[in-house]
Amino acid sequence: EVQLVESGGGLVQPGGSLRLSCAASGFTVSSNYMSWVRQAPGKGLEWVSVIYSGGSTYYADSVRGRFSISRDTSKNTLYLQMNSLRAEDTAVYYCARGFSGSPLSFDYWGQGTLVTVSS
Amino acid sequence: EIVMTQSPATLSVSPGERATLSCRASQSVSSNLAWYQQKPGQAPRLLIYGASTRATGIPARFSGSGSGTEFTLTISSLQSEDFAVYYCQQYNNWPLTFGQGTKVEIK
Repeated sequence: EVQLVESGGGLVQPGGSLRLSCAASGFTVSSNYMSWVRQAPGKGLEWVSVIYSGGSTYYADSVRGRFSISRDTSKNTLYLQMNSLRAEDTAVYYCARGFSGSPLSFDYWGQGTLVTVSS
Repeated sequence: EIVMTQSPATLSVSPGERATLSCRASQSVSSNLAWYQQKPGQAPRLLIYGASTRATGIPARFSGSGSGTEFTLTISSLQSEDFAVYYCQQYNNWPLTFGQGTKVEIK
């Protein structure tokens, strides 16, 4: 059974850093496109970043240069390193697996982890 | 950036009725469009990819159509479990973008 479990969210001050983790089971992270998608409270969905199976990475303009996506093959885990956090980064962060038929759409999602940026 | 505009923002429908949701792209996305359903407190669920192909396990009452800039998600006969927020997403261009959502509520 495919499962994605995020962790690492919490309250952080503006300018601070957090690293989110997404532990996967039932499939191999490094063989799939993996993305982070966020949702601000009461708002819609916003794509944040993707890492291709080949290792290429892409970012939304709003986070480029501040966030970094990576994976650990031995742990079958996806990460999102978030630096220079701003109030507008406050959101639930979901990790999502790229669907094999259309890898930039998402067929499995984690339950999300809440990041709150506030002083 | 491609802007995805969904309409209406809220759709009030009675159980058993048909619901038609629209999604418009600011420029062509070919057929590189997906639809998701999200219920309160839950992660989104993939319904449709490639504009018209149902994802695994999605009931036949859900159908997608369109290409280019105009897309439609139709729910042929609404069931109680279908009341939720629906998002479209284009994956033709960077950055990947979502519509703002259509809430389908009970009339």
